[in-house]
Amino acid sequence: AQSVTQLGSHVSVSEGALVLLRCNYSSSVPPYLFWYVQYPNQGLQLLLKYTTGATLVKGINGFEAEFKKSETSFHLTKPSAHMSDAAEYFCAVSEESRNYQLIWGAGTKLIIKP
Amino acid sequence: ETGVTQTPRHLVMGMTNKKSLKCEQHLGHNAMYWYKQSAKKPLELMFVYSLEERVENNSVPSRFSPECPNSSHLFLHLHTLQPEDSALYLCASSPQQGTVTQYFGPGTRLTVL
Repeated sequence: AQSVTQLGSHVSVSEGALVLLRCNYSSSVPPYLFWYVQYPNQGLQLLLKYTTGATLVKGINGFEAEFKKSETSFHLTKPSAHMSDAAEYFCAVSEESRNYQLIWGAGTKLIIKP
Repeated sequence: ETGVTQTPRHLVMGMTNKKSLKCEQHLGHNAMYWYKQSAKKPLELMFVYSLEERVENNSVPSRFSPECPNSSHLFLHLHTLQPEDSALYLCASSPQQGTVTQYFGPGTRLTVL
């Protein structure tokens, strides 16, 4: 069965530092991969997604993620954190065989220190 | 108004009350979804509607009753809820069921006393 693991329920970085949020998945076939962001008191917004093609995917707000099939990972990075990046980030996967039903990680809350 | 909207944004109800959550999408999509988001747990898919027909019900208790009168509106009727049902309820839509990307509303924060 598919599953998604996000390492660290909370990640704290200083403003201007590198952001790295980890996501690993289990899937028997190449999945579609997503990162969503949830700002306080708001719904989920799509940050970026991988479906096919280039494994390095660029998203909004300067974020990017790289699909590494050999590591079954889809880690999210941003070179320089900004205070406005403070939010909760969710990784999700889907497969065509499951009609693209999204399987979610538990989320990682990103804290930005001034 | 654009995107996916949900009302009310906050709801407090007793265990004997009956209330309804409303979702409306202005994107021309044909599929709509209800999710439950509890603290420190992955999002749980509750219901999926495609062209106003329920196509998925993920073992949700009968005290949650969805309704989709047309492709733009989705309701979640609530009755005799339990305190553990307190959560953020998110609505989403996609162009078709099985489309890769879903678009989410802001959610309804439900508290059951």
